[in-house]
Amino acid sequence: SQKIEQNSEALNIQEGKTATLTCNYTNYSPAYLQWYRQDPGRGPVFLLLIRENEKEKRKERLKVTFDTTLKQSLFHITASQPADSATYLCALASNKFYFGSGTKLNVKP
Amino acid sequence: NAGVTQTPKFQVLKTGQSMTLQCAQDMNHNSMYWYRQDPGMGLRLIYYSASEGTTDKGEVPNGYNVSRLNKREFSLRLESAAPSQTSVYFCASSLTVQNIQYFGAGTRLSVL
Repeated sequence: SQKIEQNSEALNIQEGKTATLTCNYTNYSPAYLQWYRQDPGRGPVFLLLIRENEKEKRKERLKVTFDTTLKQSLFHITASQPADSATYLCALASNKFYFGSGTKLNVKP
Repeated sequence: NAGVTQTPKFQVLKTGQSMTLQCAQDMNHNSMYWYRQDPGMGLRLIYYSASEGTTDKGEVPNGYNVSRLNKREFSLRLESAAPSQTSVYFCASSLTVQNIQYFGAGTRLSVL
């Protein structure tokens, strides 16, 4: 069956460090992969999209990589700030849309 | 600048009651979606509408029905609510299927 895995344990890091979140998938051939941010009590908000023929995408302090051989995407936040604390969801666009369960990031001052 | 609007924001039902969750978007998007989000389960797709006039089942459609009323509106109906349907429900829209999705603020539903 198709599956998307994100680390269910919260990631706790110190302000200023780089946060790295992982999204692994099986049995998909996604056209592309997206990352969303979700704050408590709110709907997810789109952050970045990376296509299957792209290795890396950047936007300000955010960087996403996509390895279709490993079936993995990494999401990096450099120079992290307490305001980056949230849950981050990856989503695959194949014939439909599939979301991972998300990883909660806590950035401590 | 409303984006995706969901109503109601909160609802408490008794087992067996019915209700309809409303969703409207003002971005002229073709595709609309309904998800439920439970702790530790992430977002699970209930139904989606790739374009006006079409609807398709997602991952967890049992116990739900949908109506794509027009291009702007996509409603989700619970005919006979069950405690297992206690969840947070999100509506989303995108220009087409596989594009970036824009989410509403969610409806928090409790079924007692």
